[in-house]
Amino acid sequence: AQRVTQPEKLLSVFKGAPVELKCNYSYSGSPELFWYVQYSRQRLQLLLRHISRESIKGFTADLNKGETSFHLKKPFAQEEDSAMYYCALGTSGSRLTFGEGTQLTVNP
Amino acid sequence: DVKVTQSSRYLVKRTGEKVFLECVQDMDHENMFWYRQDPGLGLRLIYFSYDVKMKEKGDIPEGYSVSREKKERFSLILESASTNQTSMYLCASSLSPGTGIRQFFGPGTRLTVL
Repeated sequence: AQRVTQPEKLLSVFKGAPVELKCNYSYSGSPELFWYVQYSRQRLQLLLRHISRESIKGFTADLNKGETSFHLKKPFAQEEDSAMYYCALGTSGSRLTFGEGTQLTVNP
Repeated sequence: DVKVTQSSRYLVKRTGEKVFLECVQDMDHENMFWYRQDPGLGLRLIYFSYDVKMKEKGDIPEGYSVSREKKERFSLILESASTNQTSMYLCASSLSPGTGIRQFFGPGTRLTVL
């Protein structure tokens, strides 16, 4: 069965510091990985997906199939990055399996 | 952009009541999903639908049912609400078919069962 694990429930960093949100998955098939973000009082939205290999708002994520990880990174955190971040695994039939979420706080 | 709307932002119901949560999307998406969002548990899939009158159980379907009579509308039904169903409920939609497809979310309905 597929599973997504985000080991950190809370993560706090200072503005300008690097940030890494960890995500590990288990899935026997070929994975599709995503990061979704929910800012305060806003709806959940897609941040990035591994298939696009893009950088959004300075965030990047690399799929490491050997370590079954898809960690989200940003070299210099900003206060507006404070949000809840969810890693998600796409499996059969367009459904997603989400991790538990990591609440990121960027302090001034 | 895709617009997914949910009928209520906040809802308070009593134990044993039948509860309807409505979701409407305006982009002709085939797939629609219902999740519940709980702190520390993330999003868990309750039910989803690939087409009109079609439904599939997700990971936590017990105590819930769904209805999809029209393509744009997907309803979540709590047949007899219980206090452990107090949660934030999120609806989402996406194009079909296949994986790698972005899901668009509604604003959520915060349901409290007393």
